[in-house]
Amino acid sequence: DTAVSQTPKYLVTQMGNDKSIKCEQNLGHDTMYWYKQDSKKFLKIMFSYNNKELIINETVPNRFSPKSPDKAHLNLHINSLELGDSAVYFCASSQPSGRPYEQYFGPGTRLTVT
Amino acid sequence: AQSVTQLGSHVSVSEGALVLLRCNYSSSVPPYLFWYVQYPNQGLQLLLKYTTGATLVKGINGFEAEFKKSETSFHLTKPSAHMSDAAEYFCAVSVGNQFYFGTGTSLTVIP
Repeated sequence: DTAVSQTPKYLVTQMGNDKSIKCEQNLGHDTMYWYKQDSKKFLKIMFSYNNKELIINETVPNRFSPKSPDKAHLNLHINSLELGDSAVYFCASSQPSGRPYEQYFGPGTRLTVT
Repeated sequence: AQSVTQLGSHVSVSEGALVLLRCNYSSSVPPYLFWYVQYPNQGLQLLLKYTTGATLVKGINGFEAEFKKSETSFHLTKPSAHMSDAAEYFCAVSVGNQFYFGTGTSLTVIP
């Protein structure tokens, strides 16, 4: 009964390809996130999303797009992959804003672009 | 503007020694504070959090942290390090619906 799950765990692909990473949470949370963790372990928030609002980190290239079929899922689509996209991507979820919440993280997807 | 600073990107301690990982924050409003741990090849796991009330917060695996408003600090401690504590540790601040992570501290435990 994993709280936040991601698939695939590993993804190896070539430059220029389009790929997706899936995320599902069974916690009943309203808000989900995508983070990118680089080789130095630095965490960068890419998107936060609930059923009302998508907040995009303005530094994220528009090749990245989140898609949410329902409240429990937030998938990440990446177009025209570049070498610099290689990183570990984490999905997370939390309760609605305005409360002292914490974020629950998935296990991560290691993306390697060759 | 909110920010989180973790002093020391790498910390090494001997097994059995005190663990002290430093975190300072800046926030224009009272923040909520968190420590997360990331074991190799895993996601982040919540260690402990401070919201309101008692400023000394106890978490999992024997860790604790103290919120010191006057010092804008939320340092993480553990009296005696175990080999299994070797991991990456992240301090985080929550203000409203924004969440800010520090740059992380890698803890090495020397046998």
